[in-house]
Amino acid sequence: DIVMTQSPDSLAVSLGERATISCKSSQSVLYSSNNKNYLAWYQHKPGQPPQLLISWASTRESGVPDRFSGSGSGTDFTLTISSLQAEDVAVYSCQQYYSTPPTFGQGTKVEIK
Amino acid sequence: QLQLQESGPGLVKPSETLSLTCTVSGGSISSSSCYWGLIRQPPGKGLEWIGSIYYSGGFYYNPSLKSRVTISLDTSKNQFSLRLSSVTAADTAVYYCATTTIAAAGTLFWYFDLWGRGTLVTVSS
Repeated sequence: DIVMTQSPDSLAVSLGERATISCKSSQSVLYSSNNKNYLAWYQHKPGQPPQLLISWASTRESGVPDRFSGSGSGTDFTLTISSLQAEDVAVYSCQQYYSTPPTFGQGTKVEIK
Repeated sequence: QLQLQESGPGLVKPSETLSLTCTVSGGSISSSSCYWGLIRQPPGKGLEWIGSIYYSGGFYYNPSLKSRVTISLDTSKNQFSLRLSSVTAADTAVYYCATTTIAAAGTLFWYFDLWGRGTLVTVSS
């Protein structure tokens, strides 16, 4: 199985500041035939269903604010919240779907400083 | 609007079978557009995909759980269900229902675009 490792486990950021989360995979999730990275990001707020934010490493889902962006390729990926809002307090998880079984990172908790 | 709702026992004894149901509302479980799946999160750990099933009965299971897992459909109730046998404390987790939409040309990419709120199942005597 592909192991997904996120860092940090938690971070506290001031409102309006940038939050950056790293996700590394134990092997490349870039499919050479279509040049796509099989990497998704999720947001999970307490008491709410987890929400798919980004697929294909950088494609935002419909309705996701543009302050959320995904980047990276191969084995190293980043989720950036450009200007943290109070409603962004949540746990963020990355997930690879390059191979079965799909596997997730351990999650990163984002809080307000 | 499609929604998923988990219902489960809350508490299961070690060595017994965990049974959990996902009820689909706002759409039909007989839809050919997605797979219906289950994912869990043990306390303090990351998410783990358990398996997914298609309306026709086709399924995929996580090899790490395959020997103990059965996922089934009940189209009359618009539900799908998980049975996990021989549970131990390691099976204590929040269990989520989730969908995987089938892409164009029938291609399947295993990310999860709709989730339920989850239900906590504790394994303890």
